[in-house]
Amino acid sequence: DAGVIQSPRHEVTEMGQEVTLRCKPISGHDYLFWYRQTMMRGLELLIYFNNNVPIDDSGMPEDRFSAKMPNASFSTLKIQPSEPRDSAVYFCASSPSIRGDTGELFFGEGSRLTVL
Amino acid sequence: AQKITQTQPGMFVQEKEAVTLDCTYDTSDPSYGLFWYKQPSSGEMIFLIYQGSYDQQNATEGRYSLNFQKARKSANLVISASQLGDSAMYFCAMIDSGTYKYIFGTGTRLKVLA
Repeated sequence: DAGVIQSPRHEVTEMGQEVTLRCKPISGHDYLFWYRQTMMRGLELLIYFNNNVPIDDSGMPEDRFSAKMPNASFSTLKIQPSEPRDSAVYFCASSPSIRGDTGELFFGEGSRLTVL
Repeated sequence: AQKITQTQPGMFVQEKEAVTLDCTYDTSDPSYGLFWYKQPSSGEMIFLIYQGSYDQQNATEGRYSLNFQKARKSANLVISASQLGDSAMYFCAMIDSGTYKYIFGTGTRLKVLA
């Protein structure tokens, strides 16, 4: 069974450009999370979805960031316009909704973004 | 609001010795889950152990155990018999059972010395 799939794995872009990161969660998982990892701040929760509906986007740093989940198998995180301080590794993770489960998050391999 | 705190940016341990990584948390929800993840230098996130807020006993998974002290709101990870392969970043995490909001601490970088 395929895990969480993220693309691109690496992205180098120039300040002001639009960046779109993509995520395919594990089939059957009802929850999808986007995180940003930096040395200074660790893993920050940006936004999460339940059954394709955004539940909490309070972690999205600015209006330049937006996320969508048009269906159960696809989500995007968009940064427009990008800035050098957005450079980070962006992780997507999914989880099933079974409360009795351990609640383990299944992570993608991350998208490393560098904004010059 | 939920909060996870890891106060040790870096730790060293001698191979074969035990090490404790600290984690404290805060939440107003009586039902929550606590987790530890490992991130090796390759970057992937590896789930290690889970503790539910109502679990009476401390969770254990092989060489990993979670020292859960509810009154002190701490959930420290204990790694016994450290191995060189344990060198990695370790993250404490928490989920609020009401909102399913899943947050992480800033991590502790562990280096195991030969």
